Amino acid sequence: AQKVTQAQTEISVVEKEDVTLDCVYETRDTTYYLFWYKQPPSGELVFLIRRNSFDEQNEISGRYSWNFQKSTSSFNFTITASQVVDSAVYFCALSEVSIRNDMRFGAGTRLTVKP
Amino acid sequence: KAGVTQTPRYLIKTRGQQVTLSCSPISGHRSVSWYQQTPGQGLQFLFEYFSETQRNKGNFPGRFSGRQFSNSRSEMNVSTLELGDSALYLCASSLEVDTEAFFGQGTRLTVV
Repeated sequence: AQKVTQAQTEISVVEKEDVTLDCVYETRDTTYYLFWYKQPPSGELVFLIRRNSFDEQNEISGRYSWNFQKSTSSFNFTITASQVVDSAVYFCALSEVSIRNDMRFGAGTRLTVKP
Repeated sequence: KAGVTQTPRYLIKTRGQQVTLSCSPISGHRSVSWYQQTPGQGLQFLFEYFSETQRNKGNFPGRFSGRQFSNSRSEMNVSTLELGDSALYLCASSLEVDTEAFFGQGTRLTVV
């Protein structure tokens, strides 16, 4: 069965600090996708990244970076030089190819960036 | 390019009533998924439609149903509403199965 664990319920940092959000997943499939979404107070889930299980390359997009490690079943997300606008709930999700578009979400991490 | 549109944004219903929520996907997207978000259970998958066919269903009672039309627009229906059905219902669309899903702003349903 697929499962996603985001152990950090809430994180509070001061602006310009770096912050890493942890995500650990469980799956029996060898082919799967991992996602990160951001949910601001407006409620809409904003897509950040999708990574397939065969691509372990780390990715950097501006101040965002992702570290995918199959050996530890982790897909961590780092925000560098955080800003107040980064305050939101961040969700990690897993989708097994065999189930298709049934994304299993973690409980989310609420990030608060203080000025 | 318009995003995923969900209507209505807010809804208040009474226990025992039924409700229909609507989702218009991004133009050209054929896959539509529905999720329920509650403080206690988090985000849970309801069902997914692709080309008018339900391809996958989550672990929800039969009171929850949906459909997809030929233009890819989707509706979900909840019958015999219970207080526990109060939630944010999110719709997501994707171009094909296995591509990234884009979410709408959701419909916040309150059952009183």
